[in-house]
Amino acid sequence: QQQVRQSPQSLTVWEGETAILNCSYEDSTFNYFPWYQQFPGEGPALLISIRSVSDKKEDGRFTIFFNKREKKLSLHITDSQPGDSATYFCAASGGSFNKLTFGAGTRLAVCP
Amino acid sequence: AQTIHQWPVAEIKAVGSPLSLGCTIKGKSSPNLYWYWQATGGTLQQLFYSITVGQVESVVQLNLSASRPKDDQFILSTEKLLLSHSGFYLCAWSLEVNQDTQYFGPGTRLLVL
Repeated sequence: QQQVRQSPQSLTVWEGETAILNCSYEDSTFNYFPWYQQFPGEGPALLISIRSVSDKKEDGRFTIFFNKREKKLSLHITDSQPGDSATYFCAASGGSFNKLTFGAGTRLAVCP
Repeated sequence: AQTIHQWPVAEIKAVGSPLSLGCTIKGKSSPNLYWYWQATGGTLQQLFYSITVGQVESVVQLNLSASRPKDDQFILSTEKLLLSHSGFYLCAWSLEVNQDTQYFGPGTRLLVL
């Protein structure tokens, strides 16, 4: 059972455009949603996170929009840069002890 | 500042051989520690977690075991490797107080032939 779903599987944008990565979940007990950025051969790095009491979280060019009623969230990357090319994972937790459930990831390519 | 170190960086092992991977956290006392597995091009799957020395909980069964011999050390091992064990192994930590946020190490790449 895939509890965290991400779309699209891959995304290509031009430099300067806004990339929108989508995530949805099924478990209503989830209350914490981190996004991780992973470059090939490296461990994932925490990018930005949001708790279910908020509907928006902003950090520089990265913004999470959260819709609790629809169990959906999205990561917006504005003014995309070639250095943003990576795989982005949406994750969720809130149930059993610190178990993070990851989505399948979105591979983002930013073309110069 | 806290640092997380994993060893080895990469391993090539034969099917049926033993394995031991290590993880060390410096700069944080009593962290929660986690092991994850990631197939090539795949998502991350939590394998084990530990909240204190000597205590390890299994999340999924993959013919692997884990131990926490010291507060800052987490070990992943098996006596017999399978082809399906190939992948990227990641150690992560979180603070005891704010348990949600997990920080990952650089990972160990394992290829089983």
